[in-house]
Amino acid sequence: AQKVTQAQTEISVVEKEDVTLDCVYETRDTTYYLFWYKQPPSGELVFLIRRNSFDEQNEISGRYSWNFQKSTSSFNFTITASQVVDSAVYFCALSEARSGGSNYKLTFGKGTLLTVNP
Amino acid sequence: DTGVSQNPRHKITKRGQNVTFRCDPISEHNRLYWYRQTLGQGPEFLTYFQNEAQLEKSRLLSDRFSAERPKGSFSTLEIQRTEQGDSAMYLCASGITGTDTQYFGPGTRLTVL
Repeated sequence: AQKVTQAQTEISVVEKEDVTLDCVYETRDTTYYLFWYKQPPSGELVFLIRRNSFDEQNEISGRYSWNFQKSTSSFNFTITASQVVDSAVYFCALSEARSGGSNYKLTFGKGTLLTVNP
Repeated sequence: DTGVSQNPRHKITKRGQNVTFRCDPISEHNRLYWYRQTLGQGPEFLTYFQNEAQLEKSRLLSDRFSAERPKGSFSTLEIQRTEQGDSAMYLCASGITGTDTQYFGPGTRLTVL
C-alpha cells in the first residue's frame, strides 16, 4: 500500500529564515510521481511541483527548492528566505498507478502547517 | 484559463437529508477526481472519472454516496441520508490523461448537524 509520511505537524519560523519540510514515502510501484501542494487558509489546494520517479535532479523555482532522494524515499521541500505569505499547510502526495501503468489516485500525507511570523 | 469550480462552497444540512455537490473541471480536462478532507488530515481519494466513465471507487465511498459525470463534463457527488461523520471538505480535481497532475477546486465544506 502507498503511504506518505510528513513527520512535522507544525513548524513556526520568523520571516527570512529558511525552512525545510520533510516528506517520506512508501510504494511498490517502480514508476510513480511525487507532488507538493500548498493549502492556504482559503482552503484551495495549489499545485507546486510534480516529480517523476526516474528524475532525481533537484529542482529550484525562485525561493522554492526540492530534494528528491530515491535511496531514502524522501522528497523534501525547502523555502528560502520565508515570507509571511508562505504561511499555509503543505502537503506531499504520491500517485498510484493502476494495472496498465496509468497513474490516477493521489495519496497525501497529513500535511505540515507552516507559520511564518513577521 | 478558468480553474476548477465547485458549488456550493458551504452546505449545512440536518442528519438524514440528501445533499448534492457540483464540480466543473478545467475545460478539456478529461479526468475528474473527488476527494474528502477532514480536519487535520490530507485529502483522501473517493473516486475518479475518465471522460464519463467512473473507473475507480474507494472503499470510503459507501452505498450512500454516488457520483456521476454525464457527457464527460461537470460531475455531481450526492450523499444520501447524511450522517454527522460525513462532515468534511469535499474536493474536486481535474487533469489530463498522461500528465498526472491534478488541479483542485476550492472545495465544498459540508456540515451535518
